[in-house]
Amino acid sequence: DVKVTQSSRYLVKRTGEKVFLECVQDMDHENMFWYRQDPGLGLRLIYFSYDVKMKEKGDIPEGYSVSREKKERFSLILESASTNQTSMYLCASSFGLPETQYFGPGTRLLVL
Amino acid sequence: QKEVEQNSGPLSVPEGAIASLNCTYSDRGSQSFFWYRQYSGKSPELIMFIYSNGDKEDGRFTAQLNKASQYVSLLIRDSQPSDSATYLCAVNMGSGGYNKLIFGAGTRLAVHP
Repeated sequence: DVKVTQSSRYLVKRTGEKVFLECVQDMDHENMFWYRQDPGLGLRLIYFSYDVKMKEKGDIPEGYSVSREKKERFSLILESASTNQTSMYLCASSFGLPETQYFGPGTRLLVL
Repeated sequence: QKEVEQNSGPLSVPEGAIASLNCTYSDRGSQSFFWYRQYSGKSPELIMFIYSNGDKEDGRFTAQLNKASQYVSLLIRDSQPSDSATYLCAVNMGSGGYNKLIFGAGTRLAVHP
């Protein structure tokens, strides 16, 4: 059974704070992804990684960075949180043919 | 701009009926297609995927793919109130060796007793 976990379900931060969102998968998957989901906009890809220490920008990388020091862990960093980063953040990992993504429970972030 | 389009709904069906959810996509070269279900406040969970033209059945769910028309659908037979959720269509539109899913905004399904 695929298991993707995220460090927090709910998070409240203040504008300008540095925010870390952690994602861990226990299935030795190569590929990991960070999305944000906003009403009416669907899921939008922020960053993804196909290997340790490797990262690729998604569709909306501005204001975010990522870190993948170990295969099982993929971190999303908000360098200086802003109110427009209030959102649901979803991590996914993938495997198989066709490559199939499995999601963590999500982190609902509120930036005040 | 690569796009996946879904009717936002809500699609309201009576219990026991067939619910039909539709999705169109812009990239003719797309090869694999996914349906996810998302309950309110929860993360998406995979229902099924399809990559060949025609129908694929899994229990009460049937995915239908027509690549010529760039159209994929999900049928839910014998709909139950527990099927009430938002259904996300996702299409693999990767290029350059990377797989990349593009998601539709989702269709909200309401099954009433």
